[in-house]
Order: sequence, then C-alpha cells, then structure tokens
Amino acid sequence: DSGVTQTPKHLITATGQRVTLRCSPRSGDLSVYWYQQSLDQGLQFLIQYYNGEERAKGNILERFSAQQFPDLHSELNLSSLELGDSALYFCASSVAGQDNEQFFGPGTRLTVL
Amino acid sequence: GEDVEQSLFLSVREGDSSVINCTYTDSSSTYLYWYKQEPGAGLQLLTYIFSNMDMKQDQRLTVLLNKKDKHLSLRIADTQTGDSAIYFCAENGRRSGGYNKLIFGAGTRLAVHP
Repeated sequence: DSGVTQTPKHLITATGQRVTLRCSPRSGDLSVYWYQQSLDQGLQFLIQYYNGEERAKGNILERFSAQQFPDLHSELNLSSLELGDSALYFCASSVAGQDNEQFFGPGTRLTVL
Repeated sequence: GEDVEQSLFLSVREGDSSVINCTYTDSSSTYLYWYKQEPGAGLQLLTYIFSNMDMKQDQRLTVLLNKKDKHLSLRIADTQTGDSAIYFCAENGRRSGGYNKLIFGAGTRLAVHP
C-alpha cells in the first residue's frame, strides 16, 4: 500500500458525460501527479500540482482539467468524454516538487461506452 | 523526442536471474526508475538510480546504468513466481519544460514458469 488513495476504483459512463476522479496523496506529500494508462498510448504524464499550484503539464487534453485543494487532495475532471478516454488514471504523490520518488495510487479505471 | 524503449516480453524459469533492459534518449535525466505493475494493481516503485551512479543493489534487485549508451537494466536474482508482472522503466524528462514528469517505457511483461 503506497499510501495514495484514489476514488472511485471503477467508473462506467457514456460519451459526452463529465466525471471527476479524486486523489488523496500520502501524508506529508505536497506534490500530486496525474497519469493516464491506455493500451495504445501506454503510460502518459498529464499534469502535476505542487502545494496547490500547477507545476508541469504534459499531454493533457483541453477537455481535461485538474486542481489541488488546500488540504492537498486533487481532482481530475474529464468532460465531453469520448470512447478513447477509456483508460486507467493514476495519481501519484511525492514529498516535494522535483526529482523525488513518486508513489502511485491504485488507479481509477474509466470505461466510456 | 522523448523515448524510453523496452522489450515487451521476458520468460524465465523460477530460480533463474531475470534481466530487463531499457534504453532512453534524454541525457539530462537525473533519475531513472523501475516500477512494477501486477495484474489489476497500481504501480509500485521498485528502485531508482541517480544518473551519476553506475550500479545500485537492493536485496535481489541490481540496477546497472550505462550513461554513455543510455542503457538501464534491472536484474532480479532468484526470480520467483511472485515476480511475474509488468516492469516499467522510467526517466524524469527534463525536456519539454516539465522536469518533474516521468516518461515511461511500454513495459516488459515478465513471466516466471516452474
């Protein structure tokens, strides 16, 4: 158990809908990262927050957004969902914002029908 | 561009050593990582190596880094059936403006048979 929690574990929704994925980092970790794992794209970095502020951005679609709250939990919002958004979404956390071990949560499996 | 490559599949006999190889392209990476993913589970950080090191040993795991060739390997001694999983190599990419993101390979599926 990495100490990173993600909810829900599974999510099934329809195209065009909007969902919110939630992540709680390990106690004491200030940085949260979101990754997407899909069969065709593999594991891809989406976005990073550090102490409430966006720190780095990867291949995140404009339909996706994220935020980190004062209690350091983070939410990833996915809107106008398409079939291709079906994937495993991982959250990771680290103590600081740079060059640290990233500990991954168990992931949220999103299925878009 | 950013690229981390791994062979996709490795099969070994229980008790033998496994060696999983990885090549990367970003010479400015400061850390290189090995993660393990078991079926239906998240990613578990196995070990990592700082880029100025050649080797790191942690119990049954040995990481070798050849920075000149940008080649990373993970050796698992006395491989057990519980080691069956997908192993991901990753580097922290310093290009493209974001120095904290991890760039992953496609993963090597390790199958351990009796």
